[in-house]
Amino acid sequence: DGGITQSPKYLFRKEGQNVTLSCEQNLNHDAMYWYRQDPGQGLRLIYYSQIVNDFQKGDIAEGYSVSREKKESFPLTVTSAQKNPTAFYLCASSTTLSSYYGYTFGSGTRLTVV
Amino acid sequence: EDQVTQSPEALRLQEGESSSLNCSYTVSGLRGLFWYRQDPGKGPEFLFTLYSAGEEKEKERLKATLTKKESFLHITAPKPEDSATYLCAVAYSGAGSYQLTFGKGTKLSVIP
Repeated sequence: DGGITQSPKYLFRKEGQNVTLSCEQNLNHDAMYWYRQDPGQGLRLIYYSQIVNDFQKGDIAEGYSVSREKKESFPLTVTSAQKNPTAFYLCASSTTLSSYYGYTFGSGTRLTVV
Repeated sequence: EDQVTQSPEALRLQEGESSSLNCSYTVSGLRGLFWYRQDPGKGPEFLFTLYSAGEEKEKERLKATLTKKESFLHITAPKPEDSATYLCAVAYSGAGSYQLTFGKGTKLSVIP
C-alpha cells in the first residue's frame, strides 16, 4: 500500500545534540513538507520541497535543516540551535496540485529533550 | 491575525447529541478547504475537500458545508469513536501553490 513512513515514532535528544527524523513516501508525490505541532498552536510549517534538490523555509525554519536528494525521502535534522525542540513532528506529501487533493500525512515522530 | 480560525477549541457531547464545528477563514482566492481528523499521537487523516461556496460533502455521520467565509462540520448522532481533534485547512492563491494553512483544531469528546 502507498503511504508515508516516519521514523522513529519516539526520539529523545540530549542538550547540544543534533538528531535526524526520517520521512519516506512511495506515493510518487513531488511535494513534501515538515510541520511541527505543539498543544494549542496548530500545525506550523518548518520546511517544504516541491522538487528534488530544492527546498524552501517555512514559518519556523530556524534551528532545523533538510535535504531532498531523492523524490521519496525528505529527512529533517533538528540542530542544537533549536532551543525548544520538544514537539510532535509531522511529515506530509502531496501532488503539485495540492490545492485540489490536499496532503497525505505520516504518523508522526514525538521528539523529547532529556 | 490568524487566517484560519476554528471554534470552539473543545467540545464535549453526549452520545447522540448532534452539533457543528466551525472553521472561518479570511484569505482571498480560496482554492480549497480541507477537513482532517487527528487521533492522539497520530497523523491527520483526510476527511473532505470543498472547493466552492454551496458545496456539501457527507461521510457517515459527518457532513461538511462551505460558504464564502466559513465551513461547518456537522456531526449527526455522534458516537464515542468520533472523539478526535478535527483540523481545518485552506489552500489559497496568496500562498505558495502547494501549501495548506491550518487552523488550531477543535477537540471533540463524545461521552457514552
